[in-house]
Amino acid sequence: EPEVTQTPSHQVTQMGQEVILRCVPISNHLYFYWYRQILGQKVEFLVSFYNNEISEKSEIFDDQFSVERPDGSNFTLKIRSTKLEDSAMYFCASSRSVDTQYFGPGTRLTVL
Amino acid sequence: KQEVTQIPAALSVPEGENLVLNCSFTDSAIYNLQWFRQDPGKGLTSLLLIQSSQREQTSGRLNASLDKSSGRSTLYIAASQPGDSATYLCAVCPHTGANSKLTFGKGITLSVRP
Repeated sequence: EPEVTQTPSHQVTQMGQEVILRCVPISNHLYFYWYRQILGQKVEFLVSFYNNEISEKSEIFDDQFSVERPDGSNFTLKIRSTKLEDSAMYFCASSRSVDTQYFGPGTRLTVL
Repeated sequence: KQEVTQIPAALSVPEGENLVLNCSFTDSAIYNLQWFRQDPGKGLTSLLLIQSSQREQTSGRLNASLDKSSGRSTLYIAASQPGDSATYLCAVCPHTGANSKLTFGKGITLSVRP
């Protein structure tokens, strides 16, 4: 069964550094999302992406964040200058339409 | 603003028991509701999706119901097993066309004792 994959599984970075989190959505899906989950808290929506542009973004998704679909398969989340509070599990998800969203295994980001 | 609540935060039951996990949401204008399972340190596995026009969905030992007007959903697990131990999250999708962001509850951590 097709799956969403994410790399790396764990990323450790210094505060102020740039990180790029990578995702490969399910191949025939058209909608892509990033969510995050700070330890012990709810899963929070960051951004949705459809037809090569952002559909919606949350208040968390400020100018430090950006998303890109650089080719036909990858979907990336970039954090330009990481802060301590960016430490979280970041999940990529994809869906064929406005229906079941399939989540990847996540990237654990630790900012020191 | 949509708020999703799941109470209690944790539940422990003996193996074999049937159980119900509750989810409530404040804005009944939803497009669908999805139940997920999350194992410790892992991603989210989709269990069931109920469209706003549906009352329930079933998959194996799982049955999810939706009462949109009262802002409630339940996940029924029949004949629970230790392997069902995990955190169960519900999430709602708003009824606004292409805007399909999910709003999650905090989850219910289920422990099934052998």
